[in-house]
Amino acid sequence: EADIYQTPRYLVIGTGKKITLECSQTMGHDKMYWYQQDPGMELHLIHYSYGVNSTEKGDLSSESTVSRIRTEHFPLTLESARPSHTSQYLCASSGQANTGELFFGEGSRLTVL
Amino acid sequence: EDKVVQSPLSLVVHEGDTVTLNCSYEVTNFRSLLWYKQEKKAPTFLFMLTSSGIEKKSGRLSSILDKKELFSILNITATQTGDSAVYLCAVIRRALTFGSGTRLQVQP
Repeated sequence: EADIYQTPRYLVIGTGKKITLECSQTMGHDKMYWYQQDPGMELHLIHYSYGVNSTEKGDLSSESTVSRIRTEHFPLTLESARPSHTSQYLCASSGQANTGELFFGEGSRLTVL
Repeated sequence: EDKVVQSPLSLVVHEGDTVTLNCSYEVTNFRSLLWYKQEKKAPTFLFMLTSSGIEKKSGRLSSILDKKELFSILNITATQTGDSAVYLCAVIRRALTFGSGTRLQVQP
């Protein structure tokens, strides 16, 4: 059983609000990722980190930002939410074994009104 | 640009049928191809394939990779309603690059 947690699971918020989606893992994994997935659509990588103080943008451009101050924590922030940000955000991590297997959190479903 | 293409996009079968899901890819510096199953929430890992021609099996599921023709297939035999899900194929680049998935619906 993978130990990666996301909060909140569901969030409905008004336009212009600042939001932070939390992601924590207790497996000691160096690599962490954020994917964005619209209903019925594919997962798109928006951010990744290979370790503390290392963050990179992914394949899909996103107005969100991330930080990696601690190994176990990889929060995603939207400074000013808009309806176009409505989506599911999935956090994942992978370990040193470099098997490629990602362990996913259960996702944060964001709705911006 | 790297691509991962899955087919069919959607499939409806009856319990007991056998299904084959396809994944083709164009990726620079290919390392591995992975299959995931996604039901209502997050994807769960099924297989990782690195070498051509070596079949991976787990119960009624099996998968094989062809690095010459740049594709993989996922077979599910004797399907059950619990197999209904989206099956995702992914290749390793900086992270995993996913295909759009095949939505499988198994009817009783």
